[in-house]
Amino acid sequence: GIQVEQSPPDLILQEGANSTLRCNFSDSVNNLQWFHQNPWGQLINLFYIPSGTKQNGRLSATTVATERYSLLYISSSQTTDSGVYFCAVETSYDKVIFGPGTSLSVIP
Amino acid sequence: DSGVTQTPKHLITATGQRVTLRCSPRSGDLSVYWYQQSLDQGLQFLIQYYNGEERAKGNILERFSAQQFPDLHSELNLSSLELGDSALYFCASSVEGEETQYFGPGTRLLVL
Repeated sequence: GIQVEQSPPDLILQEGANSTLRCNFSDSVNNLQWFHQNPWGQLINLFYIPSGTKQNGRLSATTVATERYSLLYISSSQTTDSGVYFCAVETSYDKVIFGPGTSLSVIP
Repeated sequence: DSGVTQTPKHLITATGQRVTLRCSPRSGDLSVYWYQQSLDQGLQFLIQYYNGEERAKGNILERFSAQQFPDLHSELNLSSLELGDSALYFCASSVEGEETQYFGPGTRLLVL
């Protein structure tokens, strides 16, 4: 089945810094999503982005499907951005497969 | 508050037992998804229903089953429980099958 990797596994940022999280996948995908799980466990769907670029406030995401990766950009990070960021891909045969996540800590 | 509700919040039970988790989607959402999050396996997609019909199946065990009722709420039934079934079970809903999903707070299941 498809393999999904995320990097870096852990990231510590000073408040106000920018960061880029990466999701690599080993095969063609129909869809790709980014999720954020806050320190209290709540999951939020950030982007549904099978290709191209989308922006939502300080967050943006780019998926280059032909090169099998997606990037999540966080600008001017805030402490509320802390948590774990997951990407999830969907293929015709594997349905939805999650990556292992990137754990982000933003310190004041 | 996402508008998705899940009950119960916590559940403690014994191996071999059967439990039912309930999810009420946001008003107007036709799709319901179930996910499992455990320390061993991470986040896994279990199953999706759309307007009462099963639409997609993921890593759902045969001991697990789900359904979506005419009022669009959904139930996930877990039977012959094992220690490894201890996990956080999330439900999510969306208007259609491919748009933003809104997650409930989860049900934390502990099997002893």
